[in-house]
Amino acid sequence: GQNIDQPTEMTATEGAIVQINCTYQTSGFNGLFWYQQHAGEAPTFLSYNVLDGLEEKGRFSSFLSRSKGYSYLLLKELQMKDSASYLCAVSPGTYKYIFGTGTRLKVLA
Amino acid sequence: DVKVTQSSRYLVKRTGEKVFLECVQDMDHENMFWYRQDPGLGLRLIYFSYDVKMKEKGDIPEGYSVSREKKERFSLILESASTNQTSMYLCASSPGGNEQFFGPGTRLTVL
Repeated sequence: GQNIDQPTEMTATEGAIVQINCTYQTSGFNGLFWYQQHAGEAPTFLSYNVLDGLEEKGRFSSFLSRSKGYSYLLLKELQMKDSASYLCAVSPGTYKYIFGTGTRLKVLA
Repeated sequence: DVKVTQSSRYLVKRTGEKVFLECVQDMDHENMFWYRQDPGLGLRLIYFSYDVKMKEKGDIPEGYSVSREKKERFSLILESASTNQTSMYLCASSPGGNEQFFGPGTRLTVL
């Protein structure tokens, strides 16, 4: 079967660094996406990885290891507004996307 | 900015009713998707469309149908609503195998 695993909930302190892990098992691989979703709102795109390595975008970075079926999202200099759910999604083929259940991040003052 | 709009933010329907959820995108994207999002289950793909009048079943198509008569509009139809279809419904569009742009969602309650 196809599966994406990520932790259900994480807590971190304002100004700190947090790493959200995602492991996947899919029949194919066309890329891995991270989305941010605030409560009651739509998911918004954060990052895309298709090759191994680190993609950096401001305070957010995403890493991919295809051989290990593993990715992480790194959030630096945490702010209160970063409290949200973070969704890991894999595209196993054209037009297909599989989403994890999301990691709810709470940022404490 | 890409804009994806959905016809209603909140909807309450009765069991057995036919329900239409409309989604419109303004960026000429080829691909459009319908998901439902439930606590603990994440986003699950119901149907998608990669062109006008084209549709493909996703992972949970039972009890749903779709229509794409125009490129910018993708409709989800619940032929006979049931209580287990109470959920948040999210529409998304994508220009290709890239990121998806989501609408604000419709929270549907079936009584």
